[in-house]
Amino acid sequence: SQQGEEDPQALSIQEGENATMNCSYKTSINNLQWYRQNSGRGLVHLILIRSNEREKHSGRLRVTLDTSKKSSSLLITASRAADTASYFCATANTGGFKTIFGAGTRLFVKA
Amino acid sequence: DGGITQSPKYLFRKEGQNVTLSCEQNLNHDAMYWYRQDPGQGLRLIYYSQIVNDFQKGDIAEGYSVSREKKESFPLTVTSAQKNPTAFYLCASSRDHSYNEQFFGPGTRLTVL
Repeated sequence: SQQGEEDPQALSIQEGENATMNCSYKTSINNLQWYRQNSGRGLVHLILIRSNEREKHSGRLRVTLDTSKKSSSLLITASRAADTASYFCATANTGGFKTIFGAGTRLFVKA
Repeated sequence: DGGITQSPKYLFRKEGQNVTLSCEQNLNHDAMYWYRQDPGQGLRLIYYSQIVNDFQKGDIAEGYSVSREKKESFPLTVTSAQKNPTAFYLCASSRDHSYNEQFFGPGTRLTVL
C-alpha cells in the first residue's frame, strides 16, 4: 500500500498565486521528500525534510512536517506557468532504504 | 555532464517477447532502482540494488529481472511473464542506500502491441 497520499489530486491556479499541496502518511518515517515531474519526464528532487525538522525552505518552496499528524505540506509561492507539473511526496522508513511515493498532485498554473 | 541516462525513450514490443531497458549512471552512486509508473499514479518499486553484484526484489518484481555487473549499469528485462507491461519505466540512483535523495533518468515508455 502507498505510504504517502497527496491532496488535492489536482490544483489549478493563476500565475502569481501560491500553491499548497499536502501529503499524509501512515507509519513512522526517517525523512520525507518532495519531487517534481514534468509530463513524460523523470522526477526531480526538490527538498528533503528529516523527521526531527519542522520546516524547510528552498527558494520559493516551503515544506513543513508534522510528525504527530503524520503530514507534510509543500507551498510554492508566487507560482509561475513553468511550475506546471506533478508533485510527489516520498517517505523513507527507518534505515532509509525503501522510499515510497504517493500518487501525486497535478498542478496547473495559468498564465 | 554527470547524470543518469535511459534508453530507448520509446519501446514497442510484441506480446511474448522479452525486452531489456538500459540504465546508466556516471554519478558514482552505489544504489540504483527501477520503478514503474502507470498513468495518473505514483511510482512502484520493481527492483533495487545497493551495490554491485547485489540486488533485491521490490514490490512488483514478478515478470521482471535485473543484473548489476557494473556500478554504472542496472539493466531491466521485462519478460513475457509480465502480464501487463505497458507503462513508463524510471531508473534512479542514489549515493548509497542510506542517502535518500534519488536522481532519476528521463524514463522509457514501453508499449506492448
